Amino acid sequence: EVQLVESGGGLVQPGGSLRLSCAVSTFPVSDHYMSWVRQAPGTGLDWVSVIYRGGDTYYANSVKGRFTISRDNSKNTLFLQMNSLRAEDTAVYYCARGVTTSYMDVWGLGTMVAVSS
Amino acid sequence: YVLTQPPSVSVAPGKTARITCGGNNIGAKSVHWYQQKPGQAPVLVIFYDNDRPSGIPERFSGSNSGNTATLTISRVEAGDEADYYCQVWDSSSDHYVFGTGTTVTVL
Repeated sequence: EVQLVESGGGLVQPGGSLRLSCAVSTFPVSDHYMSWVRQAPGTGLDWVSVIYRGGDTYYANSVKGRFTISRDNSKNTLFLQMNSLRAEDTAVYYCARGVTTSYMDVWGLGTMVAVSS
Repeated sequence: YVLTQPPSVSVAPGKTARITCGGNNIGAKSVHWYQQKPGQAPVLVIFYDNDRPSGIPERFSGSNSGNTATLTISRVEAGDEADYYCQVWDSSSDHYVFGTGTTVTVL
């Protein structure tokens, strides 16, 4: 069974930082287009960022310049470094495996990030 | 690029539910659909307009033309109650785009 396991969420003050991790089993993260998708409480899905197989990265306008997506191939783990956090970043963050740049076929269970003073 | 879905759809058991996803010339893009039940991660139910992943019942189908894509759930069951999201890849911005989401209620 393909598994993605997110961790690193928690409560942080506005302006603070968090680093999310997504540990992957059964396939190399470097072979796929890996994304972060978030969902604020009671709202819909909101794509955050993607890292291509070749390493190119793209971001939603709402997080560009504050968030950084990366991966560690040796640990087979995806990361999301989140800086200058705002209340509106409060959400469950999911990592997901992309099939090229089309659809996401495998999702993790998510990790909760709450930004509040 | 914006994808617009109706907030809610209600359907009786055994009937057909149709969930629309509107976008400018969406027929020129590939549309994918996800099902999300409360407290759970999304699950892919349709990809490339009308393909089903293994394990997804044949009751789920899709179509896409013009400015509207549609997810159709035939012979609706109580277990189909969930939120459904359409999604496309916007090549002009290198962004994934999700629809606003539709809550399906089985009466």
